[in-house]
Amino acid sequence: EADIYQTPRYLVIGTGKKITLECSQTMGHDKMYWYQQDPGMELHLIHYSYGVNSTEKGDLSSESTVSRIRTEHFPLTLESARPSHTSQYLCASGGIEGAWLSNEKLFFGSGTQLSVL
Amino acid sequence: AQKITQTQPGMFVQEKEAVTLDCTYDTSDPSYGLFWYKQPSSGEMIFLIYQGSYDQQNATEGRYSLNFQKARKSANLVISASQLGDSAMYFCAMREYGNKLVFGAGTILRVKS
Repeated sequence: EADIYQTPRYLVIGTGKKITLECSQTMGHDKMYWYQQDPGMELHLIHYSYGVNSTEKGDLSSESTVSRIRTEHFPLTLESARPSHTSQYLCASGGIEGAWLSNEKLFFGSGTQLSVL
Repeated sequence: AQKITQTQPGMFVQEKEAVTLDCTYDTSDPSYGLFWYKQPSSGEMIFLIYQGSYDQQNATEGRYSLNFQKARKSANLVISASQLGDSAMYFCAMREYGNKLVFGAGTILRVKS
């Protein structure tokens, strides 16, 4: 059972609002990720972190920002939400299975479905 | 270039039958890992099975098995004895050594009773 939590599960807000999507994990994983997913589409990596005070942008350009002040916490912030930000946001953390870095298994949260009106 | 290709946008299978979901990948790295995830309509991503590039045998996890053909660069997921609860979106993913996980476009599976 994965111990990674995202809140809120659903969020409907107006254009221009600042929002923070929360993600916490209790597995002690150093690596954490944010993915963006439109309905029925593939996941796109927007941010990742390999440890405290380490954050990097992912493959898909995003206007959001992230922070990693504590190992267990990796919040994502949108300073001014727009309708184009409407999507599902999935947080994940990674644990190593065995000796090879390539077999890091990701545990996902339940996601936040964001709708910006 | 597309790293992971899932050519089947949607699949139907009769309950209790087996189904194969296709996945091909592209890498020049000798060390990589292949993953399959299930995403039900509720949205969460559930890890199903992992195959390492150096593994000699095909991975199996309960009703899930991975048909790994290294020379053809394919990593098809086989689900045996399909159940109604298997209806979901299935994603194939790959990680090259030290790199990030890359997902395919997904295949929607619908199990018919």
